[in-house]
Amino acid sequence: ETGVTQTPRHLVMGMTNKKSLKCEQHLGHNAMYWYKQSAKKPLELMFVYSLEERVENNSVPSRFSPECPNSSHLFLHLHTLQPEDSALYLCASSQEDRGPGEQYFGPGTRLTVT
Amino acid sequence: GQNIDQPTEMTATEGAIVQINCTYQTSGFNGLFWYQQHAGEAPTFLSYNVLDGLEEKGRFSSFLSRSKGYSYLLLKELQMKDSASYLCAVRDGDYKLSFGAGTTVTVRA
Repeated sequence: ETGVTQTPRHLVMGMTNKKSLKCEQHLGHNAMYWYKQSAKKPLELMFVYSLEERVENNSVPSRFSPECPNSSHLFLHLHTLQPEDSALYLCASSQEDRGPGEQYFGPGTRLTVT
Repeated sequence: GQNIDQPTEMTATEGAIVQINCTYQTSGFNGLFWYQQHAGEAPTFLSYNVLDGLEEKGRFSSFLSRSKGYSYLLLKELQMKDSASYLCAVRDGDYKLSFGAGTTVTVRA
């Protein structure tokens, strides 16, 4: 595998379900990100991890819970979601040491909440 | 908050040039990025500007004026495969990247 991978690619879940999204980066980067992309809206940054520590949390509802067990893996745990949470969830990674690094995105998980 | 504006849609002919403008008002500035996103795919990095001036990379160029809060992405010799959404994003802190809503470019034969 190369680059940034995400699983599953598509997910349909009910409002009472619990599910997790997984992201893995094979680039040796030291920062990882979760974004939400809704139709016709800008990409919204949800969470940032640097060296496995959370450094940004953009007022995201507690029904979204991130986890970063190591520098290569990032999870987004989902619980009691609402229909308006249906969107494309993108993971990204970057190398942050000599200034801002370009972010490499995964293919995303298309989430539908019913 | 952050305010990043870019046109919603642009249409151009194959072989032509298109310029996508982006204006921004952010609390901090640590560089401006342009990304390309084809429908149903992940965004991919195109360019990065942190100093004023023009950065050229093949058929794509990006310009930045920090005093005006303005950037543009120039696409030359348009090809059908350039039909995509182009995202302007400003780095306004150590990690935070704020995105515009994107400009959908349609290239016609």
